[in-house]
Amino acid sequence: AQKVTQAQTEISVVEKEDVTLDCVYETRDTTYYLFWYKQPPSGELVFLIRRNSFDEQNEISGRYSWNFQKSTSSFNFTITASQVVDSAVYFCALSRMDSSYKLIFGSGTRLLVRP
Amino acid sequence: GAVVSQHPSRVICKSGTSVKIECRSLDFQATTMFWYRQFPKQSLMLMATSNEGSKATYEQGVEKDKFLINHASLTLSTLTVTSAHPEDSSFYICSASRDRNLGTFGSGTRLTVV
Repeated sequence: AQKVTQAQTEISVVEKEDVTLDCVYETRDTTYYLFWYKQPPSGELVFLIRRNSFDEQNEISGRYSWNFQKSTSSFNFTITASQVVDSAVYFCALSRMDSSYKLIFGSGTRLLVRP
Repeated sequence: GAVVSQHPSRVICKSGTSVKIECRSLDFQATTMFWYRQFPKQSLMLMATSNEGSKATYEQGVEKDKFLINHASLTLSTLTVTSAHPEDSSFYICSASRDRNLGTFGSGTRLTVV
């Protein structure tokens, strides 16, 4: 069975603080994909990153960075120097590495960045 | 590229009526489309997977006679909520993908049944 756990329900930070959103996953597959999505108040899902299981290199994109640790089944997301526009719900997701791309989502972390 | 349009964005309907939600891939042919449901302040749960020209595959616990999915063409899938009730009020969002490619999400439909 596949499962994604985002233990942090809600995080509140002051602008310019760094914040890390945790994601822990469970799967019996040896190959899989991990994702992060952002859902602003308007509701749409904004794709942030996809990582495949055999690539453990950390990735940085501007103020965003991701730390993939296969040994601990974690795929954490850090926002550096947070901004008010980063306020949203962030979802971590998992999918099998097949043609289905069926996503299993975590429960989401609501991030509030206060000015 | 890879734009998915979902309509309507919001709909309010009376209890007992049916509502149709459309999901269109605008610039690519989507061999697979997914329908997710999200209750307020909860996560997204997959309802069903549809492949063009074949019957949808529903997840456990999802009533296929209540949530009718049609994927008649490579660019259009529809979700019809039949005999809607207040407990069907939710955010419905589709995702469309080409073969072995990452799916693109639509903008979602907020359904309110009164």
